Amino acid sequence: GQQLNQSPQSMFIQEGEDVSMNCTSSSIFNTWLWYKQDPGEGPVLLIALYKAGELTSNGRLTAQFGITRKDSFLNISASIPSDVGIYFCAGQRGYNNNDMRFGAGTRLTVKP
Amino acid sequence: KAGVTQTPRYLIKTRGQQVTLSCSPISGHRSVSWYQQTPGQGLQFLFEYFSETQRNKGNFPGRFSGRQFSNSRSEMNVSTLELGDSALYLCASSDRAGGTEAFFGQGTRLTVV
Repeated sequence: GQQLNQSPQSMFIQEGEDVSMNCTSSSIFNTWLWYKQDPGEGPVLLIALYKAGELTSNGRLTAQFGITRKDSFLNISASIPSDVGIYFCAGQRGYNNNDMRFGAGTRLTVKP
Repeated sequence: KAGVTQTPRYLIKTRGQQVTLSCSPISGHRSVSWYQQTPGQGLQFLFEYFSETQRNKGNFPGRFSGRQFSNSRSEMNVSTLELGDSALYLCASSDRAGGTEAFFGQGTRLTVV
């Protein structure tokens, strides 16, 4: 179940603004994943992080694996209307799904 | 390459009935994982099948079961449905065991009345 603290729960921003969201945990994870889910669809993997301190970009998205291995951050630069959706973080301790924990999601609304 | 296909997209069932959901993974993927998503509990892992064997199981009652066929297609069964089983059931396929970097299907929305 949800054992990751993801914040904020929701964000209302203006098109063109930058967005930051994060996930924290009391446990150490070896993998951090960020997903986006549109209404009525399944989550889509945006970025996967495998090393502490790693900073990875995917277009306007940048995610970082925290040095303590207990947190991760996702930034979206110059937001556009199609960025609307729910963003989930997931942390995985080992190589098994039952080691994976999900955040509750950040609901992003972008006003044109 | 076709994506992960889940059928049906929507289902309405009555308490006490049973239901079978189907998932066709991406061609060549041998790992299929199932998740339950609800507003209250978020995404929760049900089980993973890899090469026709259940590799991992989450913390769900025995009413939830699954199987995988030789072509990697997977089915999930829920018996004696309860109102609380209403959820979006997501299937994810991966070319590696463990579910990391998996591709999700659109899900099956199950409503139990």
